[in-house]
Amino acid sequence: AQSVTQLGSHVSVSEGALVLLRCNYSSSVPPYLFWYVQYPNQGLQLLLKYTSAATLVKGINGFEAEFKKSETSFHLTKPSAHMSDAAEYFCAVSERGYNKLIFGAGTRLAVHP
Amino acid sequence: EAGVAQSPRYKIIEKRQSVAFWCNPISGHATLYWYQQILGQGPKLLIQFQNNGVVDDSQLPKDRFSAERLKGVDSTLKIQPAKLEDSAVYLCASSSSTQETQYFGPGTRLLVL
Repeated sequence: AQSVTQLGSHVSVSEGALVLLRCNYSSSVPPYLFWYVQYPNQGLQLLLKYTSAATLVKGINGFEAEFKKSETSFHLTKPSAHMSDAAEYFCAVSERGYNKLIFGAGTRLAVHP
Repeated sequence: EAGVAQSPRYKIIEKRQSVAFWCNPISGHATLYWYQQILGQGPKLLIQFQNNGVVDDSQLPKDRFSAERLKGVDSTLKIQPAKLEDSAVYLCASSSSTQETQYFGPGTRLLVL
């Protein structure tokens, strides 16, 4: 069965520092992988997605993620954090394309001056 | 382009009462999803519609939850009777097809006392 593990429910970084949010998945078939961001009192917004093409995926707001099959990982990174990046981030996996997304528990990112 | 609309945004009820949530997807989107997001967890798919037909309702607690999308446009999710453990944010999402990105609404926050 497919599943997602996000290491660290809370991550805190300084403004300008590297952001690294970890995601490991389990899937019996080549998966589709997604990162979503959720700002307070808002719905989820797609940051980026991996759909079996390039393993390094670039998304919005300067975020990117790399699919590593050998490590079953899809970590999210951003070279320099902004205060506006403070939000909750969710990694999701699907064995059926864009359907039946299985979400991780989320990582809350705090950015301090 | 207008996003996914949901109402109400907040609802407080007592256990054993009934409640209904409404979702209006992005215009032209054939696929509609309802998710339940319990505090501290990622969203969990409850039901997926393709036009007015149900594609997947395997995780919908059918003894108390029901959903419909009669004309293939807007949708209603109902809980009857509500339990304390139903306290959560109920998210609606839509996509133009089953193989396209899901766009999420702001959610309805339900508190059952």
